[in-house]
Amino acid sequence: NAGVTQTPKFQVLKTGQSMTLQCAQDMNHEYMSWYRQDPGMGLRLIHYSVGAGITDQGEVPNGYNVSRSTTEDFPLRLLSAAPSQTSVYFCASRTGVSYEQYFGPGTRLTVT
Amino acid sequence: DQQVKQNSPSLSVQEGRISILNCDYTNSMFDYFLWYKKYPAEGPTFLISISSIKDKNEDGRFTVFLNKSAKHLSLHIVPSQPGDSAVYFCAARKGGSEKLVFGKGTKLTVNP
Repeated sequence: NAGVTQTPKFQVLKTGQSMTLQCAQDMNHEYMSWYRQDPGMGLRLIHYSVGAGITDQGEVPNGYNVSRSTTEDFPLRLLSAAPSQTSVYFCASRTGVSYEQYFGPGTRLTVT
Repeated sequence: DQQVKQNSPSLSVQEGRISILNCDYTNSMFDYFLWYKKYPAEGPTFLISISSIKDKNEDGRFTVFLNKSAKHLSLHIVPSQPGDSAVYFCAARKGGSEKLVFGKGTKLTVNP
């Protein structure tokens, strides 16, 4: 199993540009989440999904959209990038039985 | 309002000795707690967890203690090894919620 994969690893955007961060998992996990980590901060939940077709907002959802059309994929869309969205983004997944989350390697995003 | 607090940004211990990482929380609705370890440029990896119905959970060199009355948990690593050097995050979950709330992390350095 590849586990949780994220692409790209690094990305630089200009203010106002849009892009999609990709996340995929091959463990057939029902639950998937997106977090951001800023310097000196813990991880903060952006959006999450409890199954295909079902998503909900986390702690810091503004400026981000998600959809979940398949069990495997959970892309995160930045609609109009802002410097405040400069961060490291982590995708995670878990089964419906355990609360243990498996994290991807992260995407480092810089918005100039 | 920070609901999960790790008040020590860093901790340094000698190889072979005990490492104790602390975490305090404010929300009495939290019923499940997890510890994650994170190396630079990697995603967090799950270490150990504890339910609020228990006060101790062990897994090899790692033990987590939960004191519900004090709203405090700690992670003990015995004996500490240089490979344990990483940032450790405490996270908490409220019953019935998918949302994990993370602390800011403690950077552990184990010196040979």
